[in-house]
Amino acid sequence: GAVVSQHPSWVICKSGTSVKIECRSLDFQATTMFWYRQFPKQSLMLMATSNEGSKATYEQGVEKDKFLINHASLTLSTLTVTSAHPEDSSFYICSASDSFPNEQFFGPGTRLTVL
Amino acid sequence: DQQVKQNSPSLSVQEGRISILNCDYTNSMFDYFLWYKKYPAEGPTFLISISSIKDKNEDGRFTVFLNKSAKHLSLHIVPSQPGDSAVYFCAASAKRKLIFGQGTELSVKP
Repeated sequence: GAVVSQHPSWVICKSGTSVKIECRSLDFQATTMFWYRQFPKQSLMLMATSNEGSKATYEQGVEKDKFLINHASLTLSTLTVTSAHPEDSSFYICSASDSFPNEQFFGPGTRLTVL
Repeated sequence: DQQVKQNSPSLSVQEGRISILNCDYTNSMFDYFLWYKKYPAEGPTFLISISSIKDKNEDGRFTVFLNKSAKHLSLHIVPSQPGDSAVYFCAASAKRKLIFGQGTELSVKP
């Protein structure tokens, strides 16, 4: 089956610093990658969609200058949370999709805690 | 504006019985519906899906039913097993974007 990895699995940082999260599709080429965040006991909320080699499309209310997304290759996308604040603490999950029309394969998630 | 709703935050079922998880949606443009299973601090795992042109899809113990007129779908798990205990999310797809419901925590008791 399709495998998606995320690194790191958890990170603790100080307020004001930047954190980079990597998402990799290990056994398939992902034409599209998605980034979600989930607060405790809540749904997964789509933050942005990125296609390899092009700019990410952000959902309404998501600051593109704060959540920088790079999708440099068909197997790697990165999310950088810039100048992180405690309210950015959340569970960030990526997913990847290849030619299959609707199915997304999810990574294990990254727990970000900003002190 | 919650386009996909799971109104039951939790469900408890006895092992061997049927589990029925429900999901309602508001957007008639959704063309594909999926169910995911999720454990804490892990990413969702795909379970089963259904196209909007069908009303039923079955895979082993899992069956998804779609009622387009009611904008309602349900996931049936039978027989339920303790290993099925997790949070179940329904998701609806339009233009390759997934909109998730809030999730239902299923507990299957031995």
